[in-house]
This record gives sequence, C-alpha cells and structure tokens, in this order.
Amino acid sequence: AQSVTQLGSHVSVSEGALVLLRCNYSSSVPPYLFWYVQYPNQGLQLLLKYTTGATLVKGINGFEAEFKKSETSFHLTKPSAHMSDAAEYFCAVTSYNNNDMRFGAGTRLTVKP
Amino acid sequence: GAGVSQSPSNKVTEKGKDVELRCDPISGHTALYWYRQSLGQGLEFLIYFQGNSAPDKSGLPSDRFSAERTGGSVSTLTIQRTQQEDSAVYLCASSSLLAGVGDTQYFGPGTRLTVL
Repeated sequence: AQSVTQLGSHVSVSEGALVLLRCNYSSSVPPYLFWYVQYPNQGLQLLLKYTTGATLVKGINGFEAEFKKSETSFHLTKPSAHMSDAAEYFCAVTSYNNNDMRFGAGTRLTVKP
Repeated sequence: GAGVSQSPSNKVTEKGKDVELRCDPISGHTALYWYRQSLGQGLEFLIYFQGNSAPDKSGLPSDRFSAERTGGSVSTLTIQRTQQEDSAVYLCASSSLLAGVGDTQYFGPGTRLTVL
C-alpha cells in the first residue's frame, strides 16, 4: 500500500523567506507524486506533479519539488514566500494505472509580514 | 462552468437523517472520486468511478455510505442515518485518466456537512 507522511502540520515563515514543506512517501512501485494547495474556502488545485523524467519539477506560483528516490522524499520549496502563499498544502502519491491516490494529512503554511 | 461543481456548498442536518451530496465532474472526464476531509486530517479516499466499470468502494467507512454515478457523469454520495462523526467536508474530483497514467485530479469546492 502507498502512503504519504507530511512532517509538520503547521509551518510559519516570514514574507520573503524560504518555504520548505516536507513530504515522504512509501511505495513498492514507482510513485507518481503530487502537491496540491487549498486556499481558504476553496477546493484543492494542483501545484505540480512528478510522474517520470526530470526529478526537479516546477509548478505554479514559483513552487518546485524534487523527487529523491534514495530518500523517498518529494519536498516542496519556494525561494521567497509571499503573503498569498498562505494555505494548506497536501502531498499525494499514486502510481501508474492506480485508481487510489493517497493524500498526506496536510501542512498549513502561515506567512508573517 | 469548466470546473467540478458540488452542491450544496453547506449542509446542516440532524443526527439520524439521510443526506445526498451531488457532484458534477468536468465534461468528458471519465474518472470521478469522492474524498472526505475531516478537521485537522488529510483527505480520506471514499469511492472511485471509472467509465462503466464497477466502482472501487474500498474507502467507504460503513454501509451507511453509498454513491452512484448516472450516465457516466453526475454522481451522488448518500449518507444514511447520519452520525456526528460524519461531519466533514466532502470533496469530489474528476480526471481524464488516459491510459491509466496518474492523471491530475481536479477538485470541486466541496460540501461542508454538519451533523447536529
């Protein structure tokens, strides 16, 4: 079975600081990995995804994530936080031809002025 | 609209009553998912529909939960004899699921269910 662990249910950074949201996965087959963002009172939207190919994936709003097989990680980063980045972020894992996407518990990002 | 829509946006019900939640997926998307998001927890997979195949119901927490998808489009999630622990946001997502690749799921805004 596949699973995702997000370290830190709540991360707080200052505006302009580096954002690092951690995600580790467990999968017995090559994983497909996703980051979704949920703004207050809105549905989830895709930030970025990794399926195959380049392990450094760039997404919307300046976010990127790197797939590291040796560390079973897919951490999300952004060089400089903006107030508008305040939201809940979910990491998810699935695999080829797999109907079942597993989500982490989420990390709430707060950005301080 | 072009996105996934859900109705109602909010539902307050009394314990023991039945509720129906509706999801309209993106036109042409063959895959439809239901998830539950409880306070402080991640998304819990409930059920998955793909085309005309039998749905994957492995995530339904009890036999009080059921879902159907009519005509390969609109889906209804029904919760019978609601309990307070059913209070959560119920999210629907759809994807095109081409060739079995892990396609992006597009989410609706959710239905917030409160059971008193």
